[in-house]
Amino acid sequence: NAGVTQTPKFQVLKTGQSMTLQCAQDMNHNSMYWYRQDPGMGLRLIYYSASEGTTDKGEVPNGYNVSRLNKREFSLRLESAAPSQTSVYFCASKTGNQPQHFGDGTRLSIL
Amino acid sequence: GESVGLHLPTLSVQEGDNSIINCAYSNSASDYFIWYKQESGKGPQFIIDIRSNMDKRQGQRVTVLLNKTVKHLSLQIAATQPGDSAVYFCAVSYARQNFVFGPGTRLSVLP
Repeated sequence: NAGVTQTPKFQVLKTGQSMTLQCAQDMNHNSMYWYRQDPGMGLRLIYYSASEGTTDKGEVPNGYNVSRLNKREFSLRLESAAPSQTSVYFCASKTGNQPQHFGDGTRLSIL
Repeated sequence: GESVGLHLPTLSVQEGDNSIINCAYSNSASDYFIWYKQESGKGPQFIIDIRSNMDKRQGQRVTVLLNKTVKHLSLQIAATQPGDSAVYFCAVSYARQNFVFGPGTRLSVLP
Protein backbone atom coordinates (compact mmCIF):
# COMPACT_ATOMS: atom_id res chain seq x y z
CA ASN A 1 0.00 0.00 0.00
CA ALA A 2 2.59 2.55 -1.16
CA GLY A 3 0.35 5.51 -2.10
CA VAL A 4 2.56 8.36 -3.34
CA THR A 5 6.28 7.65 -3.54
CA GLN A 6 8.88 10.39 -3.95
CA THR A 7 12.56 9.98 -4.75
CA PRO A 8 15.07 11.01 -3.62
CA LYS A 9 14.24 11.84 0.01
CA PHE A 10 17.21 14.19 0.39
CA GLN A 11 19.43 15.99 -2.09
CA VAL A 12 22.14 18.63 -1.94
CA LEU A 13 22.96 20.55 -5.11
CA LYS A 14 25.32 23.30 -6.09
CA THR A 15 23.96 26.44 -7.70
CA GLY A 16 23.51 25.88 -11.42
CA GLN A 17 23.20 22.11 -11.25
CA SER A 18 20.13 20.38 -12.59
CA MET A 19 18.09 17.52 -11.21
CA THR A 20 14.77 15.76 -11.52
CA LEU A 21 12.50 14.88 -8.63
CA GLN A 22 10.47 11.76 -9.21
CA CYS A 23 6.93 11.00 -8.07
CA ALA A 24 4.80 7.91 -8.62
CA GLN A 25 1.35 6.98 -7.34
CA ASP A 26 -0.33 3.59 -7.36
CA MET A 27 -3.90 4.71 -6.63
CA ASN A 28 -4.95 5.21 -10.26
CA HIS A 29 -5.50 8.91 -9.59
CA ASN A 30 -6.06 11.25 -12.50
CA SER A 31 -4.57 14.42 -11.05
CA MET A 32 -1.06 14.99 -9.73
CA TYR A 33 0.58 18.01 -8.11
CA TRP A 34 3.93 19.43 -7.10
CA TYR A 35 4.18 21.77 -4.10
CA ARG A 36 6.96 23.43 -2.22
CA GLN A 37 6.86 24.01 1.52
CA ASP A 38 8.86 26.80 3.12
CA PRO A 39 9.01 27.76 6.81
CA GLY A 40 6.04 29.82 7.96
CA MET A 41 4.20 29.46 4.69
CA GLY A 42 1.49 27.21 3.40
CA LEU A 43 2.12 24.71 0.64
CA ARG A 44 2.51 26.53 -2.65
CA LEU A 45 1.56 24.93 -5.93
CA ILE A 46 4.34 24.76 -8.52
CA TYR A 47 2.72 22.74 -11.32
CA TYR A 48 -0.12 20.32 -11.66
CA SER A 49 -1.46 17.77 -14.10
CA ALA A 50 -5.23 17.46 -14.11
CA SER A 51 -5.05 14.34 -16.25
CA GLU A 52 -2.55 12.29 -18.20
CA GLY A 53 -1.18 14.35 -21.06
CA THR A 54 -1.86 17.79 -19.54
CA THR A 55 0.20 20.07 -17.31
CA ASP A 56 -0.47 23.56 -16.00
CA LYS A 57 1.37 26.21 -14.04
CA GLY A 58 0.53 26.83 -10.43
CA GLU A 59 1.37 29.74 -8.18
CA VAL A 60 5.20 29.53 -8.31
CA PRO A 61 6.30 27.83 -11.58
CA ASN A 62 9.39 29.90 -12.42
CA GLY A 63 12.57 27.84 -12.54
CA TYR A 64 10.76 24.52 -12.80
CA ASN A 65 9.49 22.18 -15.49
CA VAL A 66 7.34 19.09 -15.23
CA SER A 67 6.58 15.94 -17.19
CA ARG A 68 3.55 13.71 -16.79
CA LEU A 69 5.24 10.58 -18.01
CA ASN A 70 2.14 8.40 -17.73
CA LYS A 71 -0.84 8.16 -15.40
CA ARG A 72 1.36 7.00 -12.51
CA GLU A 73 4.37 9.29 -12.77
CA PHE A 74 4.86 13.06 -12.57
CA SER A 75 8.38 14.47 -12.43
CA LEU A 76 9.66 17.92 -11.49
CA ARG A 77 12.85 19.27 -13.03
CA LEU A 78 15.11 22.07 -11.89
CA GLU A 79 17.17 23.07 -14.92
CA SER A 80 19.56 25.43 -13.13
CA ALA A 81 19.18 25.26 -9.37
CA ALA A 82 19.24 28.47 -7.32
CA PRO A 83 19.53 28.90 -3.53
CA SER A 84 15.95 30.27 -3.49
CA GLN A 85 14.80 26.81 -4.53
CA THR A 86 15.99 25.30 -1.26
CA SER A 87 12.79 23.83 0.12
CA VAL A 88 10.85 20.68 0.85
CA TYR A 89 9.00 19.46 -2.22
CA PHE A 90 5.82 17.44 -1.99
CA CYS A 91 4.02 15.49 -4.65
CA ALA A 92 0.31 14.78 -4.31
CA SER A 93 -2.38 13.00 -6.25
CA LYS A 94 -6.15 12.83 -6.22
CA THR A 95 -9.15 11.78 -8.22
CA GLY A 96 -12.38 13.71 -8.67
CA ASN A 97 -13.37 16.11 -5.91
CA GLN A 98 -11.57 14.14 -3.22
CA PRO A 99 -8.72 15.03 -0.84
CA GLN A 100 -5.20 14.97 -2.11
CA HIS A 101 -2.83 12.24 -0.97
CA PHE A 102 0.74 13.35 -0.34
CA GLY A 103 4.14 11.73 -0.50
CA ASP A 104 6.70 12.19 2.28
CA GLY A 105 8.65 14.85 0.44
CA THR A 106 12.08 15.56 -0.99
CA ARG A 107 14.30 17.81 1.10
CA LEU A 108 16.40 19.83 -1.30
CA SER A 109 19.30 22.10 -0.35
CA ILE A 110 21.03 24.28 -2.90
CA LEU A 111 24.38 25.72 -1.95
CA GLY B 1 -8.19 34.78 -5.33
CA GLU B 2 -8.30 32.84 -2.12
CA SER B 3 -6.12 33.40 0.90
CA VAL B 4 -6.01 31.20 3.96
CA GLY B 5 -4.60 32.02 7.37
CA LEU B 6 -4.49 30.66 10.87
CA HIS B 7 -4.92 32.49 14.10
CA LEU B 8 -2.05 30.93 16.02
CA PRO B 9 1.26 29.55 14.72
CA THR B 10 1.71 27.44 17.87
CA LEU B 11 -0.59 25.87 20.45
CA SER B 12 0.32 23.99 23.61
CA VAL B 13 -2.23 21.86 25.46
CA GLN B 14 -2.14 19.46 28.36
CA GLU B 15 -2.53 15.79 27.59
CA GLY B 16 -6.19 14.87 27.94
CA ASP B 17 -7.48 18.38 27.26
CA ASN B 18 -9.35 19.35 24.11
CA SER B 19 -7.54 21.27 21.36
CA ILE B 20 -9.04 23.81 19.02
CA ILE B 21 -7.18 24.92 15.90
CA ASN B 22 -8.57 27.68 13.74
CA CYS B 23 -8.41 28.71 10.12
CA ALA B 24 -9.79 31.73 8.28
CA TYR B 25 -10.40 32.01 4.57
CA SER B 26 -11.25 34.90 2.30
CA ASN B 27 -13.40 33.62 -0.56
CA SER B 28 -17.04 33.32 0.45
CA ALA B 29 -17.64 30.99 -2.51
CA SER B 30 -15.20 28.37 -1.18
CA ASP B 31 -17.01 25.08 -0.98
CA TYR B 32 -14.62 22.35 0.16
CA PHE B 33 -12.41 22.36 3.23
CA ILE B 34 -9.85 19.86 4.48
CA TRP B 35 -7.74 19.52 7.61
CA TYR B 36 -4.34 17.87 7.33
CA LYS B 37 -1.87 16.68 9.97
CA GLN B 38 1.83 16.78 9.25
CA GLU B 39 4.31 15.01 11.49
CA SER B 40 7.98 15.85 11.42
CA GLY B 41 9.68 14.52 8.31
CA LYS B 42 6.42 13.29 6.81
CA GLY B 43 3.96 14.45 4.22
CA PRO B 44 0.56 15.91 5.08
CA GLN B 45 -1.99 13.31 6.15
CA PHE B 46 -5.72 13.75 5.62
CA ILE B 47 -7.73 14.06 8.84
CA ILE B 48 -11.22 15.20 7.96
CA ASP B 49 -13.05 17.24 5.37
CA ILE B 50 -16.28 19.19 5.12
CA ARG B 51 -18.25 20.67 2.26
CA SER B 52 -20.06 23.97 2.33
CA ASN B 53 -23.50 22.38 2.64
CA MET B 54 -22.58 21.27 6.17
CA ASP B 55 -21.73 23.15 9.38
CA LYS B 56 -20.23 20.30 11.38
CA ARG B 57 -18.68 16.94 10.75
CA GLN B 58 -17.31 14.46 13.23
CA GLY B 59 -14.68 11.79 12.97
CA GLN B 60 -12.83 9.73 15.51
CA ARG B 61 -11.89 12.25 18.26
CA VAL B 62 -11.98 15.09 15.73
CA THR B 63 -14.70 17.55 14.79
CA VAL B 64 -14.61 20.17 12.09
CA LEU B 65 -16.84 23.23 12.37
CA LEU B 66 -17.54 25.55 9.45
CA ASN B 67 -18.90 29.05 9.92
CA LYS B 68 -19.56 30.43 6.46
CA THR B 69 -20.88 33.72 7.78
CA VAL B 70 -17.48 34.74 9.14
CA LYS B 71 -15.47 32.47 6.82
CA HIS B 72 -13.96 30.49 9.65
CA LEU B 73 -13.05 26.83 10.02
CA SER B 74 -11.98 25.03 13.16
CA LEU B 75 -10.62 21.63 14.07
CA GLN B 76 -11.39 20.25 17.50
CA ILE B 77 -9.40 17.33 18.88
CA ALA B 78 -10.89 15.63 21.91
CA ALA B 79 -8.74 14.21 24.72
CA THR B 80 -5.50 15.28 23.06
CA GLN B 81 -2.76 12.66 23.16
CA PRO B 82 1.03 12.88 22.70
CA GLY B 83 0.61 11.31 19.26
CA ASP B 84 -1.42 14.34 18.22
CA SER B 85 1.68 16.54 18.37
CA ALA B 86 2.18 17.77 14.81
CA VAL B 87 1.53 20.69 12.50
CA TYR B 88 -2.10 21.06 11.45
CA PHE B 89 -3.21 23.08 8.46
CA CYS B 90 -6.35 23.66 6.50
CA ALA B 91 -6.85 23.58 2.76
CA VAL B 92 -9.63 25.43 0.99
CA SER B 93 -11.00 24.95 -2.51
CA TYR B 94 -13.59 26.62 -4.69
CA ALA B 95 -15.54 24.96 -7.50
CA ARG B 96 -13.11 22.04 -7.91
CA GLN B 97 -10.23 24.43 -8.38
CA ASN B 98 -6.85 23.91 -6.79
CA PHE B 99 -6.52 24.07 -3.04
CA VAL B 100 -5.02 26.97 -1.11
CA PHE B 101 -3.24 25.92 2.06
CA GLY B 102 -2.90 27.73 5.35
CA PRO B 103 0.52 28.13 6.99
CA GLY B 104 -0.17 25.68 9.81
CA THR B 105 -0.42 25.56 13.61
CA ARG B 106 2.13 23.52 15.51
CA LEU B 107 0.36 21.61 18.30
CA SER B 108 2.46 20.54 21.27
CA VAL B 109 0.98 18.17 23.82
CA LEU B 110 2.37 18.63 27.34
CA PRO B 111 2.56 15.65 29.72
